Amino acid sequence: AQSVTQLGSHVSVSEGALVLLRCNYSSSVPPYLFWYVQYPNQGLQLLLKYTSAATLVKGINGFEAEFKKSETSFHLTKPSAHMSDAAEYFCAVSANSGGGADGLTFGKGTHLIIQP
Amino acid sequence: GAVVSQHPSRVICKSGTSVKIECRSLDFQATTMFWYRQFPKQSLMLMATSNEGSKATYEQGVEKDKFLINHASLTLSTLTVTSAHPEDSSFYICSARPLRSASYNEQFFGPGTRLTVL
Repeated sequence: AQSVTQLGSHVSVSEGALVLLRCNYSSSVPPYLFWYVQYPNQGLQLLLKYTSAATLVKGINGFEAEFKKSETSFHLTKPSAHMSDAAEYFCAVSANSGGGADGLTFGKGTHLIIQP
Repeated sequence: GAVVSQHPSRVICKSGTSVKIECRSLDFQATTMFWYRQFPKQSLMLMATSNEGSKATYEQGVEKDKFLINHASLTLSTLTVTSAHPEDSSFYICSARPLRSASYNEQFFGPGTRLTVL
């Protein structure tokens, strides 16, 4: 069984400031971890993924995340926030079952607000 | 590449009617498709896993007779909400896993369907 906890339902940062969105996971097996972004009334867009290769993962739009097994964390960061980053962000986990197809378990999401 | 479409994008229906939502992988074949449900300002919850040519696997608490899933081809899965009621109003999102997929449970998401039951 897996679960995801995203700390902070809302995060507000100033334009140009560091973005940090927190994600902790629980998994009984080695996980795959994902960050998705969702704009209003749209589906999900994959930002980045951890697939047991490099622990520091770089994604699109300047985002990156670091997998820390000891802390069971996969926090999302971006050095400098842009107004277009305002959206809902979801962390998700699935089992690393050797290529199997599993549905994803999502966190509750973090709404990122960018202050001008 | 790897585009998933959903139709319709929005649907409004009367209570008691049935609504069909289509999920298509446009430029790849998908042996597995997933259906999620998202309530306003909440996360996505997996409803069911759909495998081409076989019965869908439903998550605990999801009524299989209410949410009928058909995955008749490698590019199309449908979700039919039968005898819809206002509490079924939600945002339904599908995802598709490519036939030739990387090992990390690669999935591509559709844009979602907003269902409103009056």
